[in-house]
Amino acid sequence: DGGITQSPKYLFRKEGQNVTLSCEQNLNHDAMYWYRQDPGQGLRLIYYSQIVNDFQKGDIAEGYSVSREKKESFPLTVTSAQKNPTAFYLCASTQIWQLNQPQHFGDGTRLSIL
Amino acid sequence: AQSVTQPDIHITVSEGASLELRCNYSYGATPYLFWYVQSPGQGLQLLLKYFSGDTLVQGIKGFEAEFKRSQSSFNLRKPSVHWSDAAEYFCAVGTNTGNQFYFGTGTSLTVIP
Repeated sequence: DGGITQSPKYLFRKEGQNVTLSCEQNLNHDAMYWYRQDPGQGLRLIYYSQIVNDFQKGDIAEGYSVSREKKESFPLTVTSAQKNPTAFYLCASTQIWQLNQPQHFGDGTRLSIL
Repeated sequence: AQSVTQPDIHITVSEGASLELRCNYSYGATPYLFWYVQSPGQGLQLLLKYFSGDTLVQGIKGFEAEFKRSQSSFNLRKPSVHWSDAAEYFCAVGTNTGNQFYFGTGTSLTVIP
């Protein structure tokens, strides 16, 4: 079955450490997205990418970085500059060349501080 | 600017009772509207979507939603709630300018026996 795979499911970060969250999709979708979810705040967009080797900042990009070297993969790095990284991170994708398509979501990664 | 408002942070209903979750949006063009459901520790699952045509759309798990352009609303309904419907529900609007999506802050549903 096609879908989005996020790994790991749980991740712990030490002070000053960068950590990378993986997101892989086999839906042949062009666009991929990273959201941060905090209680009571809904989903906030971190970064999105509509095509390989191109990505755009979302509303809360500071302290995060991404790459899009392959269509299937959109890893998110939480850098040491992100002072409050504890949250639930969701990856999503959609097919932008077919208008009005919904996003498909992975099962998320929960990041905590050690 | 685009935005989505879900005025109810938390709703409690009895099993078997009817349910309506409210969603209001702000978008200058024709909106593309979605409802998603999220179980604890999981991703979002699409319940239903509206793009055009019939303003009453049917979704999975017995849910339906009605688009009312005059009220800028897209409320989610279910005639009889089951205990397994307890979850977080998100309304979202999609645009055709860069494929951006905007989410409400969610409504948490508790179902009591």
